[in-house]
Amino acid sequence: DSGVTQTPKHLITATGQRVTLRCSPRSGDLSVYWYQQSLDQGLQFLIQYYNGEERAKGNILERFSAQQFPDLHSELNLSSLELGDSALYFCASSVAYGGSTDTQYFGPGTRLTVL
Amino acid sequence: ILNVEQSPQSLHVQEGDSTNFTCSFPSSNFYALHWYRWETAKSPEALFVMTLNGDEKKKGRISATLNTKEGYSYLYIKGSQPEDSATYLCAFISGTYKYIFGTGTRLKVLA
Repeated sequence: DSGVTQTPKHLITATGQRVTLRCSPRSGDLSVYWYQQSLDQGLQFLIQYYNGEERAKGNILERFSAQQFPDLHSELNLSSLELGDSALYFCASSVAYGGSTDTQYFGPGTRLTVL
Repeated sequence: ILNVEQSPQSLHVQEGDSTNFTCSFPSSNFYALHWYRWETAKSPEALFVMTLNGDEKKKGRISATLNTKEGYSYLYIKGSQPEDSATYLCAFISGTYKYIFGTGTRLKVLA
């Protein structure tokens, strides 16, 4: 158990819908990262927040957005869902903002299925 | 386009064998390299964070080296055990904070 929690564990929804994935980092960690793992693309970095501010951005679609709240939990919002958005979404956290030199601890993931 | 390649894609070894795999990454604009161990149905677990050319890190029977000038890192497992069976993933972080993952090396250790 890494100490990072993600909810829900599974989510099934329809095309065109909007969902919110939630992540609580380990106690004391200020950075949160979001990743997408789909069958055909491997693990892709989406976005990083540090202490409430966006720190780095990867291949995140415009239909997706994220934020980190004052209590440091983070939410990833996915809208106008398409079949291709079906994937496992991981959240990770680390102590500081660097990411590059911080060990990242991964949560168990949220499996999203879009029908 | 930044490309991170891992080889081999998969590997079967006998228990007790030592093995190694490679992560190749762009040699320019390097910031850091992460190695992860990823067991089926679990989430990635951090093994090493490597930042300096010539870095060598060790954790039990697993060690890693880094060559940023030529753009590669090796992961070594000494005396493989069945519990080492997993996918080993590297992630390259560029100076502009691009996180690029390799596709992993799937290791199966046969008892």
